[in-house]
Amino acid sequence: AAGVIQSPRHLIKEKRETATLKCYPIPRHDTVYWYQQGPGQDPQFLISFYEKMQSDKGSIPDRFSAQQFSDYHSELNMSSLELGDSALYFCASSPSFSNEQFFGPGTRLTVL
Amino acid sequence: QKEVEQNSGPLSVPEGAIASLNCTYSDRGSQSFFWYRQYSGKSPELIMFIYSNGDKEDGRFTAQLNKASQYVSLLIRDSQPSDSATYLCAVHLYNNAGNMLTFGGGTRLMVKP
Repeated sequence: AAGVIQSPRHLIKEKRETATLKCYPIPRHDTVYWYQQGPGQDPQFLISFYEKMQSDKGSIPDRFSAQQFSDYHSELNMSSLELGDSALYFCASSPSFSNEQFFGPGTRLTVL
Repeated sequence: QKEVEQNSGPLSVPEGAIASLNCTYSDRGSQSFFWYRQYSGKSPELIMFIYSNGDKEDGRFTAQLNKASQYVSLLIRDSQPSDSATYLCAVHLYNNAGNMLTFGGGTRLMVKP
């Protein structure tokens, strides 16, 4: 069965640089969620989109923005990167009218 | 107090034993509860979800929900070394407008051969 696809899988950036993470949901899933997981921590919700509209906003810094496109893929844009942004970034997707979220493999971001 | 709480462990059980993982939540109106398994450096994998009071069984896994006590648990029968992972309890809190999940801190399970 198709799963959530994230790219890139690993990303190394310098402080103050920008990064773009991409997420391709499971086919026919119309809701996308972004989570950040620091070392030894549980996933923290950042933002979600349903039918290309932002539906929820969590602890996402103002330096970050995201959007969902017509093909339902989503991109997380991160600017003015800080050392503390180093983490695993997961995208999850779910079908309509379901709370079950399926996670992608994640993007490991390292900020030097 | 965190909205979703788990004992961080590690919980150590011998191979073949029953592992019991517990989770409490603060929002009494919460309706949806999920258990994810996460291996180190990997993504969370959904293994069980439960919406109604009582037990729900799937293979070696049983989820138990008690809304009156605001308590959800996961039992793993015939534990195997491959079950060694961090188990995350996730709750769709009623006071959230959307479908975001709030995770507990996770319990690290170690199954010893």
